[in-house]
Amino acid sequence: DAGVTQSPTHLIKTRGQHVTLRCSPISGHKSVSWYQQVLGQGPQFIFQYYEKEERGRGNFPDRFSARQFPNYSSELNVNALLLGDSALYLCASSYEGRGAYGYTFGSGTRLTVV
Amino acid sequence: AQSVTQLGSHVSVSEGALVLLRCNYSSSVPPYLFWYVQYPNQGLQLLLKYTSAATLVKGINGFEAEFKKSETSFHLTKPSAHMSDAAEYFCAVGMNTGFQKLVFGTGTRLLVSP
Repeated sequence: DAGVTQSPTHLIKTRGQHVTLRCSPISGHKSVSWYQQVLGQGPQFIFQYYEKEERGRGNFPDRFSARQFPNYSSELNVNALLLGDSALYLCASSYEGRGAYGYTFGSGTRLTVV
Repeated sequence: AQSVTQLGSHVSVSEGALVLLRCNYSSSVPPYLFWYVQYPNQGLQLLLKYTSAATLVKGINGFEAEFKKSETSFHLTKPSAHMSDAAEYFCAVGMNTGFQKLVFGTGTRLLVSP
């Protein structure tokens, strides 16, 4: 079975640009969560979506947004990129909406803002 | 608020030696606790989790952790280190605020020398 797949794997953007990161959950998983991992730190929660609805949001500015599609895949969008947005963005899927405890993580998208 | 503290950003051991990675948690309710491993340029892989069942939790790759409420600790151990254990290890606590998310520590890099 395919795991959680994220695309692209690497991305370089310029300050002020917009970026879209994509995530496909494990088949049958209905919940997708996004985490940001800045170099040298632990991952930080950004969003959780379940059945296409936002269930939770972390302490991130409104430049960050996300959505979940009918097939349960998800996009994370970041507008007006800042140098500080450079990080590894991790997607995790789980079967239930309250299922952080059943997470499977993808390999991440490495975003570099220059 | 729930949080975890990982003592030691780097731990060095020799191959075959005991591995001990420390994690202390802060939680006002019985916590759910996790250890994840991250290899270079990869996502997070779950090693083990504590969900209020047995206090000694066995995980993959020979790792185990013991939940000690009196010490608010959840240290990760492995009797004999292998070169392939070299990686970043993250302790995390599960938070339930209407939805579930993980709060991670800052990580401990395990270095294994021959």
